[in-house]
Amino acid sequence: GENVEQHPSTLSVQEGDSAVIKCTYSDSASNYFPWYKQELGKRPQLIIDIRSNVGEKKDQRIAVTLNKTAKHFSLHITETQPEDSAVYFCAAIRLDSNYQLIWGAGTKLIIKP
Amino acid sequence: GAGVSQSPSNKVTEKGKDVELRCDPISGHTALYWYRQSLGQGLEFLIYFQGNSAPDKSGLPSDRFSAERTGGSVSTLTIQRTQQEDSAVYLCASSLGRGFYSYNEQFFGPGTRLTVL
Repeated sequence: GENVEQHPSTLSVQEGDSAVIKCTYSDSASNYFPWYKQELGKRPQLIIDIRSNVGEKKDQRIAVTLNKTAKHFSLHITETQPEDSAVYFCAAIRLDSNYQLIWGAGTKLIIKP
Repeated sequence: GAGVSQSPSNKVTEKGKDVELRCDPISGHTALYWYRQSLGQGLEFLIYFQGNSAPDKSGLPSDRFSAERTGGSVSTLTIQRTQQEDSAVYLCASSLGRGFYSYNEQFFGPGTRLTVL
């Protein structure tokens, strides 16, 4: 079955710098990759997603890139702000199946003032 | 509109007791998920309901865990004979459902923090 690994587990960056979180997956048939953000004490919320037919997707300061050959996808946050501090979860799923989303273990992003 | 709600928000119980956790999904959402999140950990899938189909119970950790969804709406997760390792936040999520080649955003509830003494 699918396995998703997420790195790093904790990432500390200076405010204004960029942050990159990387996930690798094992099932080459996986074709949908969402990212969720969970602020401290709050519920996870979808922030961006990408399908396997595209290599990159952007939404203001966040972007996701996908490398199908290497089976990894990454979340990029530019010009980080204090409100970016949260735990970020990646996930992967094969849409043409009855499988469930497989989640990464999460990355705690700390934005230093 | 109203989001996913869960009750209670906190539950403290003694080892060996049974607990029931409730989830009210967003109206019209046919898919409902239960997850468990231990402190500082990721999301552990427990069970998935989609419309009137048989639920996907593949994530339930033991037969002490069960869930039902009445009338395609409210869901209850029951943990029997609770153990200390069951202590975690239990999150419910709902979505518009899932097609064979589509996936809809999961909207999460605030969670129930379960503490087993």
